Amino acid sequence: GDSVTQMEGPVTLSEEAFLTINCTYTATGYPSLFWYVQYPGEGLQLLLKATKADDKGSNKGFEATYRKETTSFHLEKGSVQVSDSAVYFCALSRRGTSYDKVIFGPGTSLSVIP
Amino acid sequence: NAGVTQTPKFQVLKTGQSMTLQCAQDMNHNSMYWYRQDPGMGLRLIYYSASEGTTDKGEVPNGYNVSRLNKREFSLRLESAAPSQTSVYFCASSYREGNTEAFFGQGTRLTVV
Repeated sequence: GDSVTQMEGPVTLSEEAFLTINCTYTATGYPSLFWYVQYPGEGLQLLLKATKADDKGSNKGFEATYRKETTSFHLEKGSVQVSDSAVYFCALSRRGTSYDKVIFGPGTSLSVIP
Repeated sequence: NAGVTQTPKFQVLKTGQSMTLQCAQDMNHNSMYWYRQDPGMGLRLIYYSASEGTTDKGEVPNGYNVSRLNKREFSLRLESAAPSQTSVYFCASSYREGNTEAFFGQGTRLTVV
């Protein structure tokens, strides 16, 4: 079945460090891929998305490229800030026979220290 | 501009009590979902509803029931709460057509004692 795998956390970085959170997926067909972010005490919100191979999603300095050949969608940011401390979820969405099925990875907790 | 609204935000139940978590969306989405979030386990799908009048089990449906009351509302019921159901519950919705993102409510923190 469809699945999403993320690197285990927690991840702790110093401010202005480079961030990479790995994500790989298994799915039939051509899913769309997403990164969601959950700040402390809040629900999930969409960070960025890519709907087809080689697309790059970007938002708030974060980027991820849809790599179909490696079935990956790694999240990167060149210089993290304390305000980026949150849990990051990789997800895929695939059209089923009659619905959009959204599947999430387990989440990666990021702490950025000053 | 409400999006997905969940009630209540917090709840404490005694073992064996029942309750219903309410969820409503105002985005005319067809698909709606209930997830639970537990430490170290990410989000696990409890039930989903592809469209009004249809519901299907997700990954962890035992101990729960759902009702898709109409296109806007999707409720989750715990008939006899157990401590293992202590969790944070999230409702979400998405468009039916195409590959689209899910929109989430703020969550309900449930404690069963």
